[in-house]
Amino acid sequence: DIVMTQSPDSLAVSLGERATINCKSSQSVLYSSNNKNYLAWYQQKPGQPPKLLIYWASTRESGVPDRFSGSGSGTDFTLTISSLQTEDVAVYFCQQYYSAQYTFGQGTKLEIK
Amino acid sequence: EVQLVESGGGLVNPGGSLRLSCAASGFTFNSYSMNWVRQAPGKGLEWVSSISSSSSYIYYADSVKGRFTISRDNAKNSLYLQMNSLRAEDTAVYYCARGEGIPWYFDLWGRGTLVTVSS
Repeated sequence: DIVMTQSPDSLAVSLGERATINCKSSQSVLYSSNNKNYLAWYQQKPGQPPKLLIYWASTRESGVPDRFSGSGSGTDFTLTISSLQTEDVAVYFCQQYYSAQYTFGQGTKLEIK
Repeated sequence: EVQLVESGGGLVNPGGSLRLSCAASGFTFNSYSMNWVRQAPGKGLEWVSSISSSSSYIYYADSVKGRFTISRDNAKNSLYLQMNSLRAEDTAVYYCARGEGIPWYFDLWGRGTLVTVSS
């Protein structure tokens, strides 16, 4: 199985500042035939189900604020929140869907400093 | 409204069985693959099983293979998970989630149903 490793496990950022979460896969999730990275990011707030934020590593889901952006390719990916808002407090997960044996990162807990 | 609603969770003894259901509404159910993902209390997300739109392709995580069975009824817009030989480590909130294919990202999630395996 493809192992997904996020860093850091937790992160405290001041309101209005940038938050950066990293995700590394144990093998490339870039599919050469279509040049797409099979990597998604989800946000989970307490007591709620996960919500899709980003897919194909950098495509923002409809309705997601443009302060959220995804980047990276191959095995190294980043989720960036450009200006942290109070409603962004949540746990963030990356997921590979390159393999039908889907795997998630362990999660990164984002808090306000 | 586009939504997924899980049901069927509860308290079950180790070794017991439970059948989860997921009712879909607001979209063309038979055009999408469907998935089960679980989350143990205070833990991360673990993919459990996937089924293609026509049930032609089915996948399981190694942790549940041989014990869980995924199925769907497109006429009833419903997804199911039959869970047998349950263990304490199966205790989790079980979410159903939608994808356009397999493999694909999950763009719609239900609110989940809690399964507790304990004597």
